[in-house]
Amino acid sequence: KQEVTQIPAALSVPEGENLVLNCSFTDSAIYNLQWFRQDPGKGLTSLLLIQSSQREQTSGRLNASLDKSSGRSTLYIAASQPGDSATYLCAVDDTNAGKSTFGDGTTLTVKP
Amino acid sequence: DARVTQTPRHKVTEMGQEVTMRCQPILGHNTVFWYRQTMMQGLELLAYFRNRAPLDDSGMPKDRFSAEMPDATLATLKIQPSEPRDSAVYFCASAEGAVGYGYTFGSGTRLTVV
Repeated sequence: KQEVTQIPAALSVPEGENLVLNCSFTDSAIYNLQWFRQDPGKGLTSLLLIQSSQREQTSGRLNASLDKSSGRSTLYIAASQPGDSATYLCAVDDTNAGKSTFGDGTTLTVKP
Repeated sequence: DARVTQTPRHKVTEMGQEVTMRCQPILGHNTVFWYRQTMMQGLELLAYFRNRAPLDDSGMPKDRFSAEMPDATLATLKIQPSEPRDSAVYFCASAEGAVGYGYTFGSGTRLTVV
């Protein structure tokens, strides 16, 4: 059974800092991995999707990498801003059914 | 901008009452998921459908929960009778295809059972 772990559970950084969020998974035979953002009291917003054949995806200040062999993904946020404060979740699909296992998330606080 | 629509956004009900939550997936998405999110358990998959057929509802308490897709534009999640422990945010998500080109989530229904 796939297990997804996100460390740390919470992270606080000053504005402008570059940071990395980590996601690890136990079964490396995955189809894709997706990073989401969730603001308090809101739904999940998709940030980046990496297919199993890809190594990374970029969107603006965000870069997500995938290393299937080691069962790891990272989300890199450049020049963090207070508006980046949210919970970030990764979701791993290893079923080829579009059904993913979610991590518990990392709650990021960016201080002005 | 295509999105998943959930209604109602908030629901407060008394224990024992029936609750129905609705979801309109993105047009063309043939896979629909129901998730429940609580502080204690995080995101839990309750059920999901492919081409309107239920594929997996093992995460759902069968005695009180039921999920259906009457047509391709509507998915419903029903709780009868509701209990205080059902209080949570219920999310619907839709996706395109079997290989999973990524989910789009709705804004959720925040259910409070008193």
